Amino acid sequence: TQLLEQSPQFLSIQEGENLTVYCNSSSVFSSLQWYRQEPGEGPVLLVTVVTGGEVKKLKRLTFQFGDARKDSSLHITAAQPGDTGLYLCAGAKGAQKLVFGQGTRLTINP
Amino acid sequence: GAGVSQSPSNKVTEKGKDVELRCDPISGHTALYWYRQSLGQGLEFLIYFQGNSAPDKSGLPSDRFSAERTGGSVSTLTIQRTQQEDSAVYLCASSIGQGAYEQYFGPGTRLTVT
Repeated sequence: TQLLEQSPQFLSIQEGENLTVYCNSSSVFSSLQWYRQEPGEGPVLLVTVVTGGEVKKLKRLTFQFGDARKDSSLHITAAQPGDTGLYLCAGAKGAQKLVFGQGTRLTINP
Repeated sequence: GAGVSQSPSNKVTEKGKDVELRCDPISGHTALYWYRQSLGQGLEFLIYFQGNSAPDKSGLPSDRFSAERTGGSVSTLTIQRTQQEDSAVYLCASSIGQGAYEQYFGPGTRLTVT
């Protein structure tokens, strides 16, 4: 059973376009993290959202935590080739270990 | 550097052989995780160490897999009698505590079983 479902699993778009990646669950999480992984490297944390409805911006990336803390989205504006990578969401329930989604593989074509 | 390191970076082994993968976490991090990642897919949780507590082994796929963490620092993941389906990238991560703390990942060990 996959507690965190990410969609789409694969996305290939042209440079300059906008995109949104979703992370959904039927479970409530105390916090949610987004990581990005580039080929040959381990994932690196982008952001942590904690409060329901919270929105965080990181340059052209906007992260939102759902009001009910069951889902999250990542929106990228004017995507660049450097945004290419595997994006992973991970949910935490208190002191329990993080649960990772299966990832969204994003390719930005020049 | 002060990041998580893993060795070897690549390992090719024959089916049936045993392998050991090593992880050096960030100094002072009490939590250490092992994950498996196949063909750029998501992370499959394997095992988790937190301080002196008994490890959470709930993700180990079979009794051929085991891990230990010595002195609360270095960890070794051992796969006995390797099978071709064990081929994957094995990632180690550490954090300052359990739960929602940021996990810092190593670059992984790419294991190929021929």
